[in-house]
Amino acid sequence: QKEVEQNSGPLSVPEGAIASLNCTYSDRVSQSFFWYRQYSGKSPELIMSIYSNGDKEDGRFTAQLNKASQYVSLLIRDSQPSDSATYLCALTDYGQNFVFGPGTRLSVLP
Amino acid sequence: EAQVTQNPRYLITVTGKKLTVTCSQNMNHEYMSWYRQDPGLGLRQIYYSMNVEVTDKGDVPEGYKVSRKEKRNFPLILESPSPNQTSLYFCASSRSTAPGGYSPLHFGNGTRLTVT
Repeated sequence: QKEVEQNSGPLSVPEGAIASLNCTYSDRVSQSFFWYRQYSGKSPELIMSIYSNGDKEDGRFTAQLNKASQYVSLLIRDSQPSDSATYLCALTDYGQNFVFGPGTRLSVLP
Repeated sequence: EAQVTQNPRYLITVTGKKLTVTCSQNMNHEYMSWYRQDPGLGLRQIYYSMNVEVTDKGDVPEGYKVSRKEKRNFPLILESPSPNQTSLYFCASSRSTAPGGYSPLHFGNGTRLTVT
């Protein structure tokens, strides 16, 4: 059974700061990793996919993957109040079972 | 507009009354799946389908049925709903593969089901 762990938070950061969200997983077979943002009562929205070790940047977002340590993270630079949401880490091994972490609630304080 | 459409958005029903939640995608995706989301438990996969006529159980399939007769549609059927199936349900689709790995899921807007 694959497991994905995240700190449930809430993680509070001041506006303009860097928010750092972390995720660890148990299954070494996992190949593809995703970060989603979910506002309360809404559907998850994809922020970024990452497939290989290292960093991947997209605007204010940077995802980092370390398969040896079974660790994936998301950095949000210049955090805005609109970034306040729950962030879900997800992974899949062969594109059949997608497993989600419980999510980290981020609060960006004006 | 590329999207996954679920209906209804809200549904209140009684124990034992069969219901169907529809899901349709217009992106020609091979892969479709259903999830339920409960406080403290996160998103849990109910069933998935790799293509037409191919379905398989996820982590929490008990009490649910699905069918994939057409590529675009993947309905979720609760033949005898019970109160423990009260939850927020999401349908999702994916084109399966992407350069370097597997494509992410695209989610519908969700169906909030209450079973009394």
